[in-house]
Amino acid sequence: QVQLQESGPGLVKPSQTLSLTCTVSGGSISSGGYYWSWIRQPAGKGLEWIGRINPSGSTNYNPSLKSRVTISVDTSKNQFSLKLTSVTAADTAVYYCARGVGLLDYWGQGILVTVSS
Amino acid sequence: DIQMTQSPSSLSASVGDRVTITCQASQDISNFLNWYQQKPGKAPKLLIYDASDLETGVPSRFSGSGSGTDFTFTISSLQPEDIATYYCQQYDHLPYSFGQGTKLEIK
Repeated sequence: QVQLQESGPGLVKPSQTLSLTCTVSGGSISSGGYYWSWIRQPAGKGLEWIGRINPSGSTNYNPSLKSRVTISVDTSKNQFSLKLTSVTAADTAVYYCARGVGLLDYWGQGILVTVSS
Repeated sequence: DIQMTQSPSSLSASVGDRVTITCQASQDISNFLNWYQQKPGKAPKLLIYDASDLETGVPSRFSGSGSGTDFTFTISSLQPEDIATYYCQQYDHLPYSFGQGTKLEIK
């Protein structure tokens, strides 16, 4: 059973960089031809897809965030990561990592990141 | 970007009721449409993929239909454990996009 777990700071100061890691267990991040995505959800609001990466490092980003987002993968650690620069209060949200090409069939439990001084 | 519009935004129904949620895409997305269930404090869970295919382990009271721009999600007989927010998601074009959600409550 594939499991995903987000980790990283729960509090980030405005203008700084949000950095999160998703650790995949129960299967190799390199197998199955999957892409690995980040999605976020502000409190009480809907879901926003941030971007995705495949094991080869090919990425796609949401144009609304593209100038501030970098997603990377470390296949040796079975992890992929998110960096979001120049954060503001509007970036406060629960951040999820998920697996899938099109359909997102496995999700992490989510991590709340608050942007505040 | 493709905009996904769900209706209604909230819905109150009784146990045993048939519940229907609709999702409309701003352009033709064929059948590249998924439905998710999200309970409070939890991650979304995939229920239906490719508009009408039931994810393994999901009860058969859940179903989906549609293609092109108009899609429907149905719960044939509402159960107490179905209380959640439901989202549609298109994956025909990047970026993936979600509907705004339908919050389902028990009457």
